Amino acid sequence: EPEVTQTPSHQVTQMGQEVILRCVPISNHLYFYWYRQILGQKVEFLVSFYNNEISEKSEIFDDQFSVERPDGSNFTLKIRSTKLEDSAMYFCASSEPGQVDYEQYFGPGTRLTVT
Amino acid sequence: LAKTTQPISMDSYEGQEVNITCSHNNIATNDYITWYQQFPSQGPRFIIQGYKTKVTNEVASLFIPADRKSSTLSLPRVSLSDTAVYYCLVGEFSGGYQKVTFGTGTKLQVIP
Repeated sequence: EPEVTQTPSHQVTQMGQEVILRCVPISNHLYFYWYRQILGQKVEFLVSFYNNEISEKSEIFDDQFSVERPDGSNFTLKIRSTKLEDSAMYFCASSEPGQVDYEQYFGPGTRLTVT
Repeated sequence: LAKTTQPISMDSYEGQEVNITCSHNNIATNDYITWYQQFPSQGPRFIIQGYKTKVTNEVASLFIPADRKSSTLSLPRVSLSDTAVYYCLVGEFSGGYQKVTFGTGTKLQVIP
């Protein structure tokens, strides 16, 4: 079964550093998403991406965040200057072109720890 | 986005049928109801989706009454591996995907 993959599984960084989280969506999917989940809290939507541009973003997705699809397979989330409160599990997801009965396929996540 | 309300937690014995009800009183005409499952330290996984009446797949059933103000996820004969958090999401398909917001979910604990 096809799956979304994410690297690294765990990233530790110091406050103020830039991090790039990587995702490889399922190959025929056209919609891509990033979510985050702070430990013990709910899954929060960050951004959706389609046709090489952001479709929608949440209030969390401020100027410190950016997304990119640098090639035909990768989808990245960059945090320019990390803060302690960015520590969370970050999930990438992808889906087929929007139809009813679709589903978002989530990756295993990257645990980001900011010290 | 329609707000959803679910029980925070539920316990069930192995082999029993589990029903988790979600309330979504302000569901809109174009909204669909989707349920996801999440195991600890893993991403959410799609379970089932519906618009009205009953939907069944190989893992669950989804019951939606005529007024659509609630929905019930039914898991037949649960096992220990069904211990997880279950999320009820409500949203419309717009711009090619379903716009949803995850709530706090229902933490299901299956007991031997």
